[in-house]
Amino acid sequence: QSVLTQPPSASGTPGQRVTISCSGSSSNIGSNSVNWYQQLPGTAPKLLIYSSNQRPSGVPDRFSGSKSGTSASLAISGLQSEDEADYYCAAWDDSLNGRGVFGTGTKVTVL
Amino acid sequence: QVTLKESGPVLVKPTETLTLTCTVSGFSLSNARLGVTWIRQPPGKALEWLAHIFSNDEKSYSTSLKSRLTISKDTSKSQVVLTMTNMDPVDTATYYCARIAGYDYVWGSYRPREFDYWGQGTLVTVSS
Repeated sequence: QSVLTQPPSASGTPGQRVTISCSGSSSNIGSNSVNWYQQLPGTAPKLLIYSSNQRPSGVPDRFSGSKSGTSASLAISGLQSEDEADYYCAAWDDSLNGRGVFGTGTKVTVL
Repeated sequence: QVTLKESGPVLVKPTETLTLTCTVSGFSLSNARLGVTWIRQPPGKALEWLAHIFSNDEKSYSTSLKSRLTISKDTSKSQVVLTMTNMDPVDTATYYCARIAGYDYVWGSYRPREFDYWGQGTLVTVSS
């Protein structure tokens, strides 16, 4: 049911840079901003990036977001063990009278 | 301090109606431009958006579930209620409510912004 496509997994060693892609279409990412959520094991999702590239207060600056056309990316630089989590992109989709859409989710593993 | 807390039954039978309540604190449901959304997550699966409601009572529903969902709010009680009819085992999931930080009104439609605060979620199992 997910409209936005993400790779199922990504991994890296501590200190490395990891990038997660999020592919959508003209009716969602192409028209609206993208938000990213981090879900640590057994917890509720937490807002990580909003408006495609803005960090809420308290989110480390090693997390960054970008958007180009109908795709978006989340980068984690200086990967840390506590970054091991599931990451979801999300956007508003203007089709079908408007609806919220999430990505398929990416599990980040710190090796 | 903004908090949201979901409440409702942990177990429902197939064909029954599920009623979930989201009780909020730290902000008012009458606050202009703020809203509340419901999202669910089946075990081991991705997040799925269900519905939202704004302070001006503007509502929107998942296209695939629209016929089964109703969202409403009671501002005096600081509560947002989601009902889902005709429950099925595939509806087994953790249900979350979250605050919407605002919206952009573009070409006659409301485009919600980010979900900045989330509840802890409540696991609902559908089984006979």
